[in-house]
Amino acid sequence: GNSVTQMEGPVTLSEEAFLTINCTYTATGYPSLFWYVQYPGEGLQLLLKATKADDKGSNKGFEATYRKETTSFHLEKGSVQVSDSAVYFCALSPLYNFNKFYFGSGTKLNVKP
Amino acid sequence: NAGVTQTPKFQVLKTGQSMTLQCAQDMNHEYMSWYRQDPGMGLRLIHYSVGAGITDQGEVPNGYNVSRSTTEDFPLRLLSAAPSQTSVYFCASSSGGALSGELFFGEGSRLTVL
Repeated sequence: GNSVTQMEGPVTLSEEAFLTINCTYTATGYPSLFWYVQYPGEGLQLLLKATKADDKGSNKGFEATYRKETTSFHLEKGSVQVSDSAVYFCALSPLYNFNKFYFGSGTKLNVKP
Repeated sequence: NAGVTQTPKFQVLKTGQSMTLQCAQDMNHEYMSWYRQDPGMGLRLIHYSVGAGITDQGEVPNGYNVSRSTTEDFPLRLLSAAPSQTSVYFCASSSGGALSGELFFGEGSRLTVL
């Protein structure tokens, strides 16, 4: 089946620290992969995506590389800010049914000044 | 720019009551969907629609009904609420499923079933 596994949170970092949030997936074929972000009291927003192996998605200083050999899509940022505090969700959409999305359980990030 | 609008934002029901969560989008998106968000489980797909008159089940459809009579609206009906349906519900729309990859979410509806 299809599933997404994310590292447990919360993750607490100081401002300007390096961020990694791990994400691995199980899927048939090669799905599209996404990171969504949810700020307090809001719905989810697309942060970045990658649609094929070795693609790198990037946005707002965040990056993630589609690694088919390790079935991973880890989210990284070189220097986090307080405003990055949010819940981050990894998600996939299967190759054979791209009307279905599968989300991980989310990782809460707290950034302290 | 309204985007995806959900109502109500909060609702408390008693077991066995029925209700409808409303979802409307003004982006002319063909694809609409409903998710529930539970602690430690992320978002799970309940039902989705690829256009007016077309709906299909997601991962957790039991206890929920949907219909799509217009492009703009995609209501979610709970016919007989159960405590297990206590959750936060999100409606999302997209112009083309994973072809675009961007789901636009509403702000969520928090439902408590006593």
